[in-house]
Amino acid sequence: KAGVTQTPRYLIKTRGQQVTLSCSPISGHRSVSWYQQTPGQGLQFLFEYFSETQRNKGNFPGRFSGRQFSNSRSEMNVSTLELGDSALYLCASSLMDSGYGYTFGSGTRLTVV
Amino acid sequence: GENVEQHPSTLSVQEGDSAVIKCTYSDSASNYFPWYKQELGKGPQLIIDIRSNVGEKKDQRIAVTLNKTAKHFSLHITETQPEDSAVYFCAASKGSGYALNFGKGTSLLVT
Repeated sequence: KAGVTQTPRYLIKTRGQQVTLSCSPISGHRSVSWYQQTPGQGLQFLFEYFSETQRNKGNFPGRFSGRQFSNSRSEMNVSTLELGDSALYLCASSLMDSGYGYTFGSGTRLTVV
Repeated sequence: GENVEQHPSTLSVQEGDSAVIKCTYSDSASNYFPWYKQELGKGPQLIIDIRSNVGEKKDQRIAVTLNKTAKHFSLHITETQPEDSAVYFCAASKGSGYALNFGKGTSLLVT
């Protein structure tokens, strides 16, 4: 059974550019969440989606956005990149609408130069 | 919002010894408490979780205890092995649709 797949694994972007990260959840999982991981701030919640609806959003600026498709795949977009956006972006999926048992992918390492 | 504090930040134990990591949370509405293990270059892996209607849960060498009154929960690893070396994160959540609020992590080294 395939796990949570995130693409690309590594990305280098220039300040001011925008980036789109992709997440394919475990087959059958309908809930998808995104987290930002940095050495200073740790793991911080970005968004949560269930059945294409964003149900919750973390305390991030409007430059961070996301969406979920009908097949549960999700994307997140960061516009006007800043140096501080350099981080590991993690996607997690869960089978049920319970908030329990999230499985994480390996993440996308974004470096902004 | 929810604040999760985790201690210690680093822990070094000898192989075969036990390791204990403690977390406290602030929001009494939190009802789900997972623990994740993260190895270098990988995403966090769920190793055990507990819900607020249970005080203790065990899975082989790993156990978690929850004290709802004191708002703290702990991870216990017995008979530690070198492959247990990793960063461990605790988290607290109010369940469906809510965020996992993570502690800052504990770097465990087993030598």
